[in-house]
Amino acid sequence: AQSVTQLDSQVPVFEEAPVELRCNYSSSVSVYLFWYVQYPNQGLQLLLKYLSGSTLVKSINGFEAEFNKSQTSFHLRKPSVHISDTAEYFCAVSNTDKLIFGTGTRLQVFP
Amino acid sequence: EADIYQTPRYLVIGTGKKITLECSQTMGHDKMYWYQQDPGMELHLIHYSYGVNSTEKGDLSSESTVSRIRTEHFPLTLESARPSHTSQYLCASSELGTGPEAFFGQGTRLTVV
Repeated sequence: AQSVTQLDSQVPVFEEAPVELRCNYSSSVSVYLFWYVQYPNQGLQLLLKYLSGSTLVKSINGFEAEFNKSQTSFHLRKPSVHISDTAEYFCAVSNTDKLIFGTGTRLQVFP
Repeated sequence: EADIYQTPRYLVIGTGKKITLECSQTMGHDKMYWYQQDPGMELHLIHYSYGVNSTEKGDLSSESTVSRIRTEHFPLTLESARPSHTSQYLCASSELGTGPEAFFGQGTRLTVV
């Protein structure tokens, strides 16, 4: 069975500071990893994904995540956050069958 | 651009009523999902489908039922709504195959009074 753990339910940070949202997963088979973002009263939008190849994946708005197989982690980072990054962030894992989500991390960016 | 639609966006209904939440996608995706999202954010998979006439129960037990008569349509039905069904329901779809990216609708926020 697969599972995803997001240890931080809330991450407060000041604008222009760096941020890391942690994600660990467990699976007995090879997996595909995703980060989704949810803005208020919206559905989820894909932020970035790891399928294979380079372990560092990047989004168009400055976020990046690194797949670490030995630590079973897929942490999300951004070197300098903006007010508009305030949202809920969900890590997810799939082995082509089901897409399983973590409990989410609320990123709150303060001016 | 993702094209997956959920209606209604918001629904307030009385206890005991039968309701159907609609979900349609125009991308030709075979896989579709229903997630229930708690007020505190956590997403639980309640139903999914591999294609027409395929329905599977997810990880969270739900009193709702689903059907998949057409590829593009995956409605969710509650025969008798209760206050415990109050939640946000998110529909998603993806292609079959490896590493599927799931596209989400905007959700239906259901309140049962």
